[in-house]
Amino acid sequence: GNSVTQMEGPVTLSEEAFLTINCTYTATGYPSLFWYVQYPGEGLQLLLKATKADDKGSNKGFEATYRKETTSFHLEKGSVQVSDSAVYFCARNTGGFKTIFGAGTRLFVKA
Amino acid sequence: EAGVTQFPSHSVIEKGQTVTLRCDPISGHDNLYWYRRVMGKEIKFLLHFVKESKQDESGMPNNRFLAERTGGTYSTLKVQPAELEDSGVYFCASSLAGTQETQYFGPGTRLLVL
Repeated sequence: GNSVTQMEGPVTLSEEAFLTINCTYTATGYPSLFWYVQYPGEGLQLLLKATKADDKGSNKGFEATYRKETTSFHLEKGSVQVSDSAVYFCARNTGGFKTIFGAGTRLFVKA
Repeated sequence: EAGVTQFPSHSVIEKGQTVTLRCDPISGHDNLYWYRRVMGKEIKFLLHFVKESKQDESGMPNNRFLAERTGGTYSTLKVQPAELEDSGVYFCASSLAGTQETQYFGPGTRLLVL
């Protein structure tokens, strides 16, 4: 089927720890891939995206590389901050206007 | 520039009642979308407007849900009558014309049906 699967949370880290949130997708063709973030009390924000294989999206210290061979788009950050505490959603488009989301991963960063 | 706004931010209603959610997209965005996140699960697509026309309503769960976008500006999503399983967060998003354009999301409306 066509879906997005991401690691279950919550993920709890100490400040300055390394973050990885795994995401894999199934799709026909080559969709664009996204990471969205939802900070407490706010809407979804696009964090980064990649539109073709081997592209790396990056923003605010976060990175994710479009891996066609493993159908993955794992989110990483080398040193998390308390302000990174949020829910992170992996997503892909359908070639049209729909976006398909994963279930979200809540991240808690402790000072 | 104002982002996507949604009203109300929260709504608590009883089963069988009616609720209407509103979304104001970013000015100039022809595309408007409704999504829903139920019980902490994935965010699911409900429908897509281009201006005032429904382009895709394949995600609408049943005929208790009615979306409108009269005049091609703001949109409403009415649930009538509401059921317990309708509880969740309803997100609206908008984008410029074209499938590759970024979708900008609103803060969501948290609906609780008791």
